[in-house]
Amino acid sequence: KAGVTQTPRYLIKTRGQQVTLSCSPISGHRSVSWYQQTPGQGLQFLFEYFSETQRNKGNFPGRFSGRQFSNSRSEMNVSTLELGDSALYLCASSWTGTRLYEQYFGPGTRLTVT
Amino acid sequence: KNEVEQSPQNLTAQEGEFITINCSYSVGISALHWLQQHPGGGIVSLFMLSSGKKKHGRLIATINIQEKHSSLHITASHPRDSAVYICAVGNTDKLIFGTGTRLQVFP
Repeated sequence: KAGVTQTPRYLIKTRGQQVTLSCSPISGHRSVSWYQQTPGQGLQFLFEYFSETQRNKGNFPGRFSGRQFSNSRSEMNVSTLELGDSALYLCASSWTGTRLYEQYFGPGTRLTVT
Repeated sequence: KNEVEQSPQNLTAQEGEFITINCSYSVGISALHWLQQHPGGGIVSLFMLSSGKKKHGRLIATINIQEKHSSLHITASHPRDSAVYICAVGNTDKLIFGTGTRLQVFP
């Protein structure tokens, strides 16, 4: 079974631009969660999608948004990029969600904002 | 105070040593996850547990729900175990992460 894939793996953007990151979950998994990892804040939950609906959201500004398609692939978008958005963005998929099922993580997208 | 606390933050060991990493949490949880992150960023899920004890090879994870505490043990540590180990608790539908324990195992 193919693992979780994320594209692109590396990205450099300029302040004020917007960016879209993509995550393809393991086949059959319906839940996709997104996380931000920075040296200062560690890993933080962004949001979770299940069957195309956002089920839960972390404490991030509205510049961070996401969506999930009918094939469970998910995208997250960050608008008006700030220097502090530089981070490793990870997605994880699971059968139905984080509570009761193991999370499978993708390799991450490393975003640098200059 | 963080909702998930890990100790120690850094750990150095000689190959073959028995390793223990601790995790304490202050929120209600449905499950606790132990994750391993290697340089480069990739995260692997080691365990998910909601009670008792689990064992995979040289790794053992335990949880005490009453005391809100979990431990990850590595028996006969090896240099390839060098990584950051992260405890995360499943709370409602999200994960809350500890700050991680950086383990270095020297030959």
